Amino acid sequence: GAVVSQHPSWVICKSGTSVKIECRSLDFQATTMFWYRQFPKQSLMLMATSNEGSKATYEQGVEKDKFLINHASLTLSTLTVTSAHPEDSSFYICSARKTGKASYEQYFGPGTRLTVT
Amino acid sequence: GENVEQHPSTLSVQEGDSAVIKCTYSDSASNYFPWYKQELGKRPQLIIDIRSNVGEKKDQRIAVTLNKTAKHFSLHITETQPEDSAVYFCAASPDDQAGTALIFGKGTTLSVSS
Repeated sequence: GAVVSQHPSWVICKSGTSVKIECRSLDFQATTMFWYRQFPKQSLMLMATSNEGSKATYEQGVEKDKFLINHASLTLSTLTVTSAHPEDSSFYICSARKTGKASYEQYFGPGTRLTVT
Repeated sequence: GENVEQHPSTLSVQEGDSAVIKCTYSDSASNYFPWYKQELGKRPQLIIDIRSNVGEKKDQRIAVTLNKTAKHFSLHITETQPEDSAVYFCAASPDDQAGTALIFGKGTTLSVSS
C-alpha cells in the first residue's frame, strides 16, 4: 500500500488568523496531490490539484488567494487557509496517486478538522 | 467536467439483507470507478473498485457492476452486518494518470439494524 499523512489532525483558530495544513506521502513520490473539503454530512468536494514545482489548479468557486497551496517537494504539499472565518470550518483531506506508472488507486490522508471561532 | 449522481441518500436495511447503491456519471471518458466507506471523522476507505474494461467485480460480500453504455455503476452488499453501517461514496475518474482527481457522489448513509 501507500501512506499519506496529514498534520495537524485538528486545529482551532480565531477568526482572521491563518492556518497551515501539511500533507505528506510517506513511502512514495507524488508529483500531484489533491485537496478536498468535506462539510458535515456532505461529500468530498475537490478544492484544488497541487502540482510539484508549479502552481496549483483550483476548482471553480475556490478562492486561490484564500487557500494557498504549495507543493515544494515530491512528498509534501501544504494548504494554508488565510484570514480564516467560521464558514471555513470543515474537514480538509488530502490525497495522492503514485507517480511513475499507471496507478488508479488514490490514497487519502487522515484529514484535518479545522474549527474557526 | 465530470458529474457523479448517487442514490439513495439514505438506506436502512435489516441485518442479513442486501443493499444496493447506484451511481451515474456524465463523462464518457471516465474509466475508473471506486467505492469508499467512510466512518465519522475518518478518511475514506477504498472497499472495491472497477475499471471500464470489466463489467463486474466481486470481493466476498461486496460486488460492483458497471454499465458503460448507460454510464452507471452500482455497489451491492450482501448479507449485511451492523458494522457495514457507514457512509458510502462512489467516485469516477477519467483516466489513470496520477494528475487526475476523483469526483465523488454525494454519499449514501447505510444503516444496518440487528
